[in-house]
Amino acid sequence: DAGITQSPRHKVTETGTPVTLRCHQTENHRYMYWYRQDPGHGLRLIHYSYGVKDTDKGEVSDGYSVSRSKTEDFLLTLESATSSQTSVYFCAISDPHLNIQYFGAGTRLSVL
Amino acid sequence: QKEVEQDPGPLSVPEGAIVSLNCTYSNSAFQYFMWYRQYSRKGPELLMYTYSSGNKEDGRFTAQVDKSSKYISLFIRDSQPSDSATYLCAIVNAGNNRKLIWGLGTSLAVNP
Repeated sequence: DAGITQSPRHKVTETGTPVTLRCHQTENHRYMYWYRQDPGHGLRLIHYSYGVKDTDKGEVSDGYSVSRSKTEDFLLTLESATSSQTSVYFCAISDPHLNIQYFGAGTRLSVL
Repeated sequence: QKEVEQDPGPLSVPEGAIVSLNCTYSNSAFQYFMWYRQYSRKGPELLMYTYSSGNKEDGRFTAQVDKSSKYISLFIRDSQPSDSATYLCAIVNAGNNRKLIWGLGTSLAVNP
């Protein structure tokens, strides 16, 4: 998985609780992304980062926040999880020139 | 109309068949074209990447781009059960900060 580690790999939580997913890369890539993948919707971009402390919203950012304090780590936080956030979450990294993206193994999140 | 259209399938073929997977796109500014393969419960992995019209071969896989028709294809020759996966097309809009646009993915089953 191209030097990308996502943790945890599986998580079950209750509605209203905060959840943080972590993405760690060893490739020293500047760009990092968080996606969610749902049947019928494909991959949808939540947030992305183009450097330390530099982040921007994707197409489905409501209810999510991100932080990047080091090049290698990109955190996704659900401040108050809802059942609609049950999904598989993927982290990706990319080279800055062609935007070829490389993915982690994913985190399967269930919000009950 | 979505920027990238991809028939979700599912597609079921016998082992040894030639498989054709397709995407259409709407924006002439799209310049880079990629195919990803995603096995069940795994992250997408880059299969092929091309930026010009014409064919690009890699083993049993051929990526074809027709920019005049805004149509891209992935052909798999001598398909194997191990090719059973979801195939996603992804297109880079070089004119929009290299934004990556994803197809929904086509589910392929190759039956022994």
